[in-house]
Amino acid sequence: QVQLKESGPGLVQPSETLSLTCTVSGFSLTSYGVNWVRQPPGKGLEWMGTIWNDGSTDYNSALKSRLSISRDTSKSQVFLKMNSLQTEDTAIYLCARDHYYSGFDYWGQGVMVTVSS
Amino acid sequence: DVQMTQSPSYLAASPGESVSISCKASKSISNYLAWYQQKPGEAYKLLIYSGSTLQSGTPSRFSGSGSGTDFTLTIRSLEPEDFGLYYCQQYYEKPNTFGAGTKLELK
Repeated sequence: QVQLKESGPGLVQPSETLSLTCTVSGFSLTSYGVNWVRQPPGKGLEWMGTIWNDGSTDYNSALKSRLSISRDTSKSQVFLKMNSLQTEDTAIYLCARDHYYSGFDYWGQGVMVTVSS
Repeated sequence: DVQMTQSPSYLAASPGESVSISCKASKSISNYLAWYQQKPGEAYKLLIYSGSTLQSGTPSRFSGSGSGTDFTLTIRSLEPEDFGLYYCQQYYEKPNTFGAGTKLELK
């Protein structure tokens, strides 16, 4: 069945770079896009970006200067890298499969990332 | 960015009742709207897309309506497993944006 699982460090120092991995199973990254979404504590969901099935990417303009999304199709993994982290980047980070440009049909459980010294 | 205003933020109801959740977009988004459910410890679940199309596996007691700027999620005859958080999302234009959520609790 379709599954997505986020992994990465739970704690990141301010000004450092966050690196997260979304490992997928049950589908091919060459057939579906994968999105990254985050949710700060007590706040709403924020779409961060998408890597499409052809490898192209879209980013939220609010994060574009700091964000990079890439993938390794042979390992069924999607990567998020975001630099210059600040405390306001503390959030649950989630990956989700794109449902043919009509929402996100499968989500991971998310990984909590705290930015703190 | 398209702002999505979801209401109410909190809703208490009993099993068997029907409830409605509203989502209003700051500009017309045609029918490019999805609804999600999230329960503690579980992944987000896509319920409805294109404003009114039920995702595979979504029970028929869920329905979505609306187009343009005003949308509604209705749940008829609530079941115990329906209690949780509900979010709307527009995907008409980038960035995709979400409503702030509605917490549906058992009365």
